[in-house]
Amino acid sequence: GAGVSQTPSNKVTEKGKYVELRCDPISGHTALYWYRQSLGQGPEFLIYFQGTGAADDSGLPNDRFFAVRPEGSVSTLKIQRTERGDSAVYLCASSWGAGNTEAFFGQGTRLTVV
Amino acid sequence: KQEVTQIPAALSVPEGENLVLNCSFTDSAIYNLQWFRQDPGKGLTSLLLIQSSQREQTSGRLNASLDKSSGRSTLYIAASQPGDSATYLCAVITQGGSEKLVFGKGTKLTVNP
Repeated sequence: GAGVSQTPSNKVTEKGKYVELRCDPISGHTALYWYRQSLGQGPEFLIYFQGTGAADDSGLPNDRFFAVRPEGSVSTLKIQRTERGDSAVYLCASSWGAGNTEAFFGQGTRLTVV
Repeated sequence: KQEVTQIPAALSVPEGENLVLNCSFTDSAIYNLQWFRQDPGKGLTSLLLIQSSQREQTSGRLNASLDKSSGRSTLYIAASQPGDSATYLCAVITQGGSEKLVFGKGTKLTVNP
Protein backbone atom coordinates (compact mmCIF):
# COMPACT_ATOMS: atom_id res chain seq x y z
CA GLY A 1 0.00 0.00 0.00
CA ALA A 2 0.89 3.65 -0.20
CA GLY A 3 1.47 4.03 3.50
CA VAL A 4 1.28 2.23 6.82
CA SER A 5 -2.33 1.44 7.66
CA GLN A 6 -3.64 0.76 11.16
CA THR A 7 -7.05 -0.54 12.09
CA PRO A 8 -9.18 0.28 13.90
CA SER A 9 -8.47 3.98 14.30
CA ASN A 10 -10.32 3.97 17.62
CA LYS A 11 -11.16 1.16 19.98
CA VAL A 12 -13.11 1.36 23.22
CA THR A 13 -13.15 -1.76 25.34
CA GLU A 14 -14.14 -2.78 28.81
CA LYS A 15 -11.57 -3.62 31.45
CA GLY A 16 -10.66 -7.28 31.30
CA LYS A 17 -11.50 -7.76 27.62
CA TYR A 18 -9.17 -8.93 24.86
CA VAL A 19 -8.26 -6.64 21.95
CA GLU A 20 -6.39 -6.97 18.69
CA LEU A 21 -4.82 -4.07 16.83
CA ARG A 22 -3.79 -4.50 13.21
CA CYS A 23 -0.95 -2.97 11.20
CA ASP A 24 -0.45 -3.16 7.42
CA PRO A 25 3.08 -1.98 6.63
CA ILE A 26 4.33 -0.43 3.41
CA SER A 27 4.63 -3.16 0.79
CA GLY A 28 8.09 -4.71 0.77
CA HIS A 29 9.20 -3.30 4.12
CA THR A 30 10.81 -6.05 6.17
CA ALA A 31 11.03 -4.20 9.48
CA LEU A 32 7.93 -3.44 11.52
CA TYR A 33 7.73 -1.64 14.86
CA TRP A 34 5.04 -1.18 17.49
CA TYR A 35 5.11 1.82 19.83
CA ARG A 36 2.77 3.13 22.51
CA GLN A 37 2.25 6.83 23.17
CA SER A 38 0.62 8.40 26.18
CA LEU A 39 -0.55 12.00 26.24
CA GLY A 40 2.32 14.46 26.26
CA GLN A 41 4.97 11.75 25.95
CA GLY A 42 7.16 10.50 23.15
CA PRO A 43 6.48 7.09 21.61
CA GLU A 44 7.57 4.20 23.81
CA PHE A 45 9.04 1.13 22.09
CA LEU A 46 7.15 -2.15 22.40
CA ILE A 47 8.42 -4.65 19.82
CA TYR A 48 10.37 -4.82 16.57
CA PHE A 49 10.01 -7.46 13.84
CA GLN A 50 12.52 -8.27 11.15
CA GLY A 51 10.54 -10.42 8.72
CA THR A 52 8.40 -12.89 10.63
CA GLY A 53 10.46 -12.98 13.79
CA ALA A 54 10.51 -10.63 16.75
CA ALA A 55 14.04 -9.22 16.75
CA ASP A 56 13.45 -7.29 19.96
CA ASP A 57 10.43 -7.60 22.25
CA SER A 58 12.07 -5.98 25.27
CA GLY A 59 9.53 -3.16 25.35
CA LEU A 60 6.45 -5.32 25.93
CA PRO A 61 5.36 -4.32 29.45
CA ASN A 62 4.15 -7.74 30.60
CA ASP A 63 2.85 -11.08 29.35
CA ARG A 64 -0.60 -9.66 28.60
CA PHE A 65 0.92 -8.11 25.49
CA PHE A 66 1.80 -10.22 22.47
CA ALA A 67 2.42 -9.48 18.79
CA VAL A 68 2.66 -11.64 15.70
CA ARG A 69 3.67 -11.21 12.08
CA PRO A 70 3.14 -14.69 10.64
CA GLU A 71 3.83 -13.95 6.97
CA GLY A 72 6.27 -11.10 7.34
CA SER A 73 3.76 -8.47 6.32
CA VAL A 74 0.66 -7.69 8.41
CA SER A 75 1.16 -7.61 12.17
CA THR A 76 -1.31 -7.91 15.00
CA LEU A 77 -0.75 -6.59 18.51
CA LYS A 78 -2.80 -8.55 21.02
CA ILE A 79 -3.63 -7.39 24.54
CA GLN A 80 -5.26 -9.77 27.00
CA ARG A 81 -7.19 -8.82 30.15
CA THR A 82 -6.99 -5.12 29.32
CA GLU A 83 -6.46 -2.62 32.12
CA ARG A 84 -7.28 1.09 32.25
CA GLY A 85 -3.54 1.79 32.21
CA ASP A 86 -3.34 0.26 28.74
CA SER A 87 -5.24 3.25 27.36
CA ALA A 88 -2.95 5.01 24.89
CA VAL A 89 -2.33 5.50 21.19
CA TYR A 90 -0.65 2.47 19.65
CA LEU A 91 1.57 3.35 16.71
CA CYS A 92 2.99 1.08 14.05
CA ALA A 93 5.91 1.86 11.75
CA SER A 94 7.76 0.08 8.97
CA SER A 95 11.05 0.45 7.13
CA TRP A 96 13.32 -1.41 4.71
CA GLY A 97 14.99 -2.88 7.74
CA ALA A 98 18.58 -1.76 7.77
CA GLY A 99 19.52 0.50 10.65
CA ASN A 100 20.07 3.47 8.41
CA THR A 101 16.72 3.55 6.66
CA GLU A 102 13.77 5.84 7.17
CA ALA A 103 10.82 4.67 9.27
CA PHE A 104 7.25 5.54 8.30
CA PHE A 105 4.40 5.58 10.79
CA GLY A 106 0.70 4.85 10.56
CA GLN A 107 -2.00 7.08 12.02
CA GLY A 108 -2.25 5.01 15.15
CA THR A 109 -5.01 3.24 17.04
CA ARG A 110 -6.43 5.07 20.03
CA LEU A 111 -7.27 2.46 22.66
CA THR A 112 -9.52 3.42 25.55
CA VAL A 113 -10.16 0.92 28.32
CA VAL A 114 -13.19 1.81 30.44
CA LYS B 1 21.00 2.87 27.47
CA GLN B 2 20.25 5.52 24.87
CA GLU B 3 18.34 8.55 26.11
CA VAL B 4 17.03 11.38 23.94
CA THR B 5 16.20 14.81 25.28
CA GLN B 6 14.44 17.64 23.49
CA ILE B 7 14.57 21.24 24.56
CA PRO B 8 12.45 23.28 24.87
CA ALA B 9 9.34 21.25 25.70
CA ALA B 10 7.18 24.01 24.23
CA LEU B 11 7.82 27.05 22.08
CA SER B 12 5.53 29.86 20.93
CA VAL B 13 6.66 32.27 18.21
CA PRO B 14 5.08 34.88 15.94
CA GLU B 15 4.61 34.04 12.30
CA GLY B 16 7.65 34.69 10.11
CA GLU B 17 10.28 33.98 12.76
CA ASN B 18 13.16 31.60 12.19
CA LEU B 19 13.50 29.05 14.98
CA VAL B 20 15.65 26.20 16.22
CA LEU B 21 14.59 23.03 17.99
CA ASN B 22 17.18 21.02 19.89
CA CYS B 23 17.70 17.30 20.35
CA SER B 24 20.46 15.59 22.33
CA PHE B 25 21.30 11.93 22.78
CA THR B 26 23.57 10.18 25.25
CA ASP B 27 25.14 7.46 23.07
CA SER B 28 26.85 8.91 20.00
CA ALA B 29 27.15 5.52 18.24
CA ILE B 30 24.05 5.92 16.10
CA TYR B 31 23.03 4.71 12.66
CA ASN B 32 20.83 7.70 12.00
CA LEU B 33 18.65 10.41 13.47
CA GLN B 34 15.15 11.14 12.24
CA TRP B 35 12.94 14.18 12.80
CA PHE B 36 9.16 13.75 12.84
CA ARG B 37 6.16 16.01 13.01
CA GLN B 38 3.00 15.03 14.89
CA ASP B 39 -0.29 16.91 14.60
CA PRO B 40 -2.82 16.52 17.44
CA GLY B 41 -4.52 13.13 17.35
CA LYS B 42 -2.46 12.00 14.39
CA GLY B 43 0.45 9.70 13.66
CA LEU B 44 4.03 10.74 12.97
CA THR B 45 5.13 12.25 9.68
CA SER B 46 8.77 11.83 8.75
CA LEU B 47 10.47 15.15 8.01
CA LEU B 48 14.17 14.44 7.65
CA LEU B 49 16.54 11.50 8.06
CA ILE B 50 20.22 12.16 8.73
CA GLN B 51 22.64 9.25 8.37
CA SER B 52 25.47 9.04 10.89
CA SER B 53 27.98 10.00 8.18
CA GLN B 54 26.07 13.16 7.24
CA ARG B 55 26.19 16.59 8.82
CA GLU B 56 22.89 17.99 7.63
CA GLN B 57 19.79 17.48 5.53
CA THR B 58 17.47 20.06 3.99
CA SER B 59 13.87 19.92 2.84
CA GLY B 60 12.20 23.16 1.87
CA ARG B 61 12.20 25.51 4.86
CA LEU B 62 13.58 22.78 7.13
CA ASN B 63 17.24 22.13 7.82
CA ALA B 64 18.47 19.48 10.24
CA SER B 65 22.04 19.26 11.42
CA LEU B 66 23.84 16.46 13.22
CA ASP B 67 26.92 16.63 15.43
CA LYS B 68 27.34 12.98 16.32
CA SER B 69 30.42 13.40 18.48
CA SER B 70 28.66 15.81 20.82
CA GLY B 71 25.36 13.93 20.64
CA ARG B 72 23.32 16.82 19.27
CA SER B 73 20.97 17.67 16.46
CA THR B 74 19.07 20.82 15.61
CA LEU B 75 16.03 21.37 13.43
CA TYR B 76 15.96 24.83 11.89
CA ILE B 77 12.65 26.14 10.57
CA ALA B 78 12.84 29.23 8.40
CA ALA B 79 10.07 31.80 8.04
CA SER B 80 7.67 29.92 10.32
CA GLN B 81 3.98 29.70 9.42
CA PRO B 82 0.87 28.89 11.51
CA GLY B 83 0.67 25.59 9.61
CA ASP B 84 4.00 24.61 11.19
CA SER B 85 2.27 24.36 14.57
CA ALA B 86 2.69 20.78 15.75
CA THR B 87 4.84 18.64 18.02
CA TYR B 88 8.29 17.87 16.66
CA LEU B 89 9.98 14.64 17.72
CA CYS B 90 13.49 13.40 17.16
CA ALA B 91 14.53 9.76 17.32
CA VAL B 92 17.77 7.81 16.93
CA ILE B 93 18.71 4.24 16.06
CA THR B 94 21.73 3.14 18.07
CA GLN B 95 24.46 0.87 16.71
CA GLY B 96 25.30 -2.42 18.31
CA GLY B 97 21.84 -3.36 19.45
CA SER B 98 18.25 -3.55 18.37
CA GLU B 99 17.31 -1.34 15.45
CA LYS B 100 14.59 0.36 17.42
CA LEU B 101 13.98 4.10 17.33
CA VAL B 102 14.44 5.83 20.66
CA PHE B 103 12.40 9.02 20.92
CA GLY B 104 12.55 12.23 22.83
CA LYS B 105 9.38 13.66 24.37
CA GLY B 106 9.06 16.28 21.67
CA THR B 107 8.82 20.05 21.37
CA LYS B 108 5.34 21.51 20.99
CA LEU B 109 5.55 24.43 18.58
CA THR B 110 2.90 27.10 18.24
CA VAL B 111 3.24 29.69 15.48
CA ASN B 112 0.92 32.62 16.06
CA PRO B 113 -0.57 34.56 13.12
